[in-house]
Amino acid sequence: GDSVTQMEGPVTLSEEAFLTINCTYTATGYPSLFWYVQYPGEGLQLLLKATKADDKGSNKGFEATYRKETTSFHLEKGSVQVSDSAVYFCALPINQAGTALIFGKGTTLSVSS
Amino acid sequence: KAGVTQTPRYLIKTRGQQVTLSCSPISGHRSVSWYQQTPGQGLQFLFEYFSETQRNKGNFPGRFSGRQFSNSRSEMNVSTLELGDSALYLCASSLLDSNPGQAFFGQGTRLTVV
Repeated sequence: GDSVTQMEGPVTLSEEAFLTINCTYTATGYPSLFWYVQYPGEGLQLLLKATKADDKGSNKGFEATYRKETTSFHLEKGSVQVSDSAVYFCALPINQAGTALIFGKGTTLSVSS
Repeated sequence: KAGVTQTPRYLIKTRGQQVTLSCSPISGHRSVSWYQQTPGQGLQFLFEYFSETQRNKGNFPGRFSGRQFSNSRSEMNVSTLELGDSALYLCASSLLDSNPGQAFFGQGTRLTVV
């Protein structure tokens, strides 16, 4: 069945460091892919998405490219800030509408000044 | 526009009891999905409702059930509670359009089974 695998961390970085969080997926067809973020004390929210192969999603300085050949959707940011400390989830829809999601285990990022 | 509202925010129940959780989606959103979040298993999909019909279901036992009302509000019910049902239950609503869109999540209901 469909699945998502992401590095679990925790990831601890200093401010302005480069961030990569790996995500690979197994799916039938070519679904959309998402990154969601859960800030401390807040609800889960969409960070970025890509709807087809080779698409690049971007938001708040974060980027992820949908790579069909490697079935990957790695999250990157060139210079992290303390405010980026959160839990990040890679997600894959199991229906066409994208309303039923399967998530990776989540990666906790902690950024210190 | 108000976000997704889940009630109650916290709940403590005893093993064997049943519980009902409520979710009010964003106005105009007709799809509601439920998820269970635990430290061990992470975020797991429970089920999704659209126009009062369950369209997708995750791999959970029959003790977990749900329903959706004509105003799109949704409830989920867990019967015969077990200690392992302790979790954060998240509800998400979506506005369906031509492309897979964004799911908006509520703050969740923290259920503790003792």
